[in-house]
Amino acid sequence: DLQMTQSPSSLSASVGDRVTITCRASQSIGTYLNWYQQKPGKAPKLLIYGALSLQSGVPSRFSGGGSGTDFTLTISSLQPEDFATYHCQQSFTTPYGFGQGTKLEIK
Amino acid sequence: QLQLQESGSGLVRPSQTLSLSCGVSGGSITSGDYSWSWIRQPPGKALEWIGYIYQNENAYYNPSLRSRADISLDRSNNRFSLQLTSVTAADTAVYYCASRIVDLDAFDVWGQGTLVTVSS
Repeated sequence: DLQMTQSPSSLSASVGDRVTITCRASQSIGTYLNWYQQKPGKAPKLLIYGALSLQSGVPSRFSGGGSGTDFTLTISSLQPEDFATYHCQQSFTTPYGFGQGTKLEIK
Repeated sequence: QLQLQESGSGLVRPSQTLSLSCGVSGGSITSGDYSWSWIRQPPGKALEWIGYIYQNENAYYNPSLRSRADISLDRSNNRFSLQLTSVTAADTAVYYCASRIVDLDAFDVWGQGTLVTVSS
């Protein structure tokens, strides 16, 4: 199966910081990569699809990049509501796989 | 606005069958724009895709479940269901239903999730 690896697994940052989370696929997946945000006790929320495209209603401080095997999620200026866990997911082939998650915490 | 809501038993005995249902409102499960998915998250672990079904009843499953999963449509009640047989403690998880929008190839709407515990 295609494996998805996120780094770091956790990250401490302050409001206003610029942060980048990385996701690596074990083989090339083009731009078939999605990002989700999950808050404690809640379902994941789609942020980015197709590696680059912002889902409707998601603030523009979120952006996605990359193709092939290496992908990034960048938050340009952290807001208090952004502290959450972020998951990448490949949609290149079934079985669809998720990364292990990156927990973004307040410094 | 599409909304999804899981229902089903929160406690299942080992070796028994887990049964969950997902009610869909604000849209039809017969729409070709979506496939209907189940995803789970064991406590403290990563999300795991279980499978999805299209409106034509073609279904795809994660091979890791070793053919224990079955997803079906209930057109008369606009819902879809998951059955997972021969459960063990490893199947304890929060189970989510989600719609996969075909054009985006992403899970765009999720239910709130339901915790299923496998225990005697």
